[in-house]
Amino acid sequence: AQSVAQPEDQVNVAEGNPLTVKCTYSVSGNPYLFWYVQYPNRGLQFLLKYITGDNLVKGSYGFEAEFNKSQTSFHLKKPSALVSDSALYFCAVRDYKYIFGTGTRLKVLA
Amino acid sequence: EAQVTQNPRYLITVTGKKLTVTCSQNMNHEYMSWYRQDPGLGLRQIYYSMNVEVTDKGDVPEGYKVSRKEKRNFPLILESPSPNQTSLYFCASSHRTSGNNEQFFGPGTRLTVL
Repeated sequence: AQSVAQPEDQVNVAEGNPLTVKCTYSVSGNPYLFWYVQYPNRGLQFLLKYITGDNLVKGSYGFEAEFNKSQTSFHLKKPSALVSDSALYFCAVRDYKYIFGTGTRLKVLA
Repeated sequence: EAQVTQNPRYLITVTGKKLTVTCSQNMNHEYMSWYRQDPGLGLRQIYYSMNVEVTDKGDVPEGYKVSRKEKRNFPLILESPSPNQTSLYFCASSHRTSGNNEQFFGPGTRLTVL
């Protein structure tokens, strides 16, 4: 069965520092992987996806994610965090159904 | 503007009183889905629809019904709500049924069942 794990409930990082939000997955076959962000009192917004091809995927707002097949990971990264990046981040895998992780709250400290 | 709309945004009701949460999208998407979001559990899929008149259960379908009579609409029905259905609900849509299309989410409906 498909599954997604986000091992950290919360990640704190200082503004200007690089950030990483971790995600590991388990799927049979080729994975379709996604990152979404949720700001307070809003629905989820799409950030980026991995379908095939380059292992480094670039997305919205300066975010990128690295697909690592051997480690079954799809970590979200940003070189320099902003206070406005503070939000709840979800990793997801999709076949015909979506499976979401439990979410990681990112807090960027000024 | 391309969007997914949900109504109502907030609802407080009592146990057993039937309710419907509407969802509509204007992007001509084939795939639509309902999720509930609970603290510590992330998003869990309730039902999804791959096209008109085609619906299927997600991971937590008990206590919910859906219908897809038109492409743009995908209402969520709680025939006899119970307190454990108190949650934040999201509708989402995407093109087609293949796995590589991102979903567009509605703003959410916060439901409280007393």
